[in-house]
Amino acid sequence: DGGITQSPKYLFRKEGQNVTLSCEQNLNHDAMYWYRQDPGQGLRLIYYSQIVNDFQKGDIAEGYSVSREKKESFPLTVTSAQKNPTAFYLCASSIATRGIEPQHFGDGTRLSIL
Amino acid sequence: ILNVEQSPQSLHVQEGDSTNFTCSFPSSNFYALHWYRWETAKSPEALFVMTLNGDEKKKGRISATLNTKEGYSYLYIKGSQPEDSATYLCACPVLTGGGNKLTFGTGTQLKVEL
Repeated sequence: DGGITQSPKYLFRKEGQNVTLSCEQNLNHDAMYWYRQDPGQGLRLIYYSQIVNDFQKGDIAEGYSVSREKKESFPLTVTSAQKNPTAFYLCASSIATRGIEPQHFGDGTRLSIL
Repeated sequence: ILNVEQSPQSLHVQEGDSTNFTCSFPSSNFYALHWYRWETAKSPEALFVMTLNGDEKKKGRISATLNTKEGYSYLYIKGSQPEDSATYLCACPVLTGGGNKLTFGTGTQLKVEL
């Protein structure tokens, strides 16, 4: 079955530590996205990538970094510069970024601070 | 920043009731409107992508209409069932030089009670 796999499901971060969230898709989609959800807020875009070796900042990119070395993978690193990392993180993909393609989502990773 | 608003924030209905909720967006420079359903412990699932004024889409008991001139879309659920309980999200693409990215509303949380 084609889909998006996010891991781990739960992640704990210590102060000053960088952590990496994994996102893998086997849908052969060019575009991939990372969103953050906080209680009472909509999904907010962190980073997105239209194609391999290219990515763009979203609305809340500070304290995060990404890479897109392979079409199927778009890992997100939450750095120590992100002062409020506790949130639910969703990865998504779409065929392209024209804006009319539905996005397909993973099951999410919940990140908490120890 | 695109302002996408959804109302009501939450809704409780009885099994068998029909219900509807609203997504509002700026009517100027409209490009597309996405609807997603997000059930608890699952990943968001695309319902519809709508682009034309007056468009109506249907998927089983769920349908959506679009009014781009006044900037709103309605999502209707006919004969609500407990399995319809979910958060319903709408989103609009923002056209950028680096590809289109979605701006999401905060969602309408629907609870269908027996």
